[in-house]
Amino acid sequence: NAGVTQTPKFRVLKTGQSMTLLCAQDMNHEYMYWYRQDPGMGLRLIHYSVGEGTTAKGEVPDGYNVSRLKKQNFLLGLESAAPSQTSVYFCASSYSPGGALHFGNGTRLTVT
Amino acid sequence: AQSVAQPEDQVNVAEGNPLTVKCTYSVSGNPYLFWYVQYPNRGLQFLLKYITGDNLVKGSYGFEAEFNKSQTSFHLKKPSALVSDSALYFCAVRGTNAGKSTFGDGTTLTVKP
Repeated sequence: NAGVTQTPKFRVLKTGQSMTLLCAQDMNHEYMYWYRQDPGMGLRLIHYSVGEGTTAKGEVPDGYNVSRLKKQNFLLGLESAAPSQTSVYFCASSYSPGGALHFGNGTRLTVT
Repeated sequence: AQSVAQPEDQVNVAEGNPLTVKCTYSVSGNPYLFWYVQYPNRGLQFLLKYITGDNLVKGSYGFEAEFNKSQTSFHLKKPSALVSDSALYFCAVRGTNAGKSTFGDGTTLTVKP
């Protein structure tokens, strides 16, 4: 049981490049979330999904897109990376709205 | 809107002493409250949660949390700190709207031998 797996673990992009971060969970969870973590700012919600085929904007969605084509996968895309998107990105999932979140180990992204 | 405040960026305690990490919250309705711990270069790990019921919630690794509705607080406690408890701790509130969680800014706990 791997839980929540994020790929890649590290990535360096140049300004304007695009990339996709993959999150996969094997717990049959309905709810999935993408957060970014910046020093001193806690975690901020980017986008989330309440089930296969659904997505919604969180607190800081600009510059990001997401897709949930399969229940177990939640993809986060950066269309044109900017230095302000340098951060650590975490994916999380839960079985229910009131349940605990299960986190992946994060993707450290640097945009130069 | 829901919010969480962790008033202390850093908490330092000596090993064997009790520890408290503070959290206050604001949310409509009955709150789902959580504590998570983060070790370096890792994701957050669930410690404990409050739904409704007992005001003292017991969790993993000997941690517990005290819920106080009148003070809208949910402080994390441990009777006897270990050096291995040193980590970054996050308080979170989860609303009923799609289960979106709002996190505090985190408190770094350092336990010295």
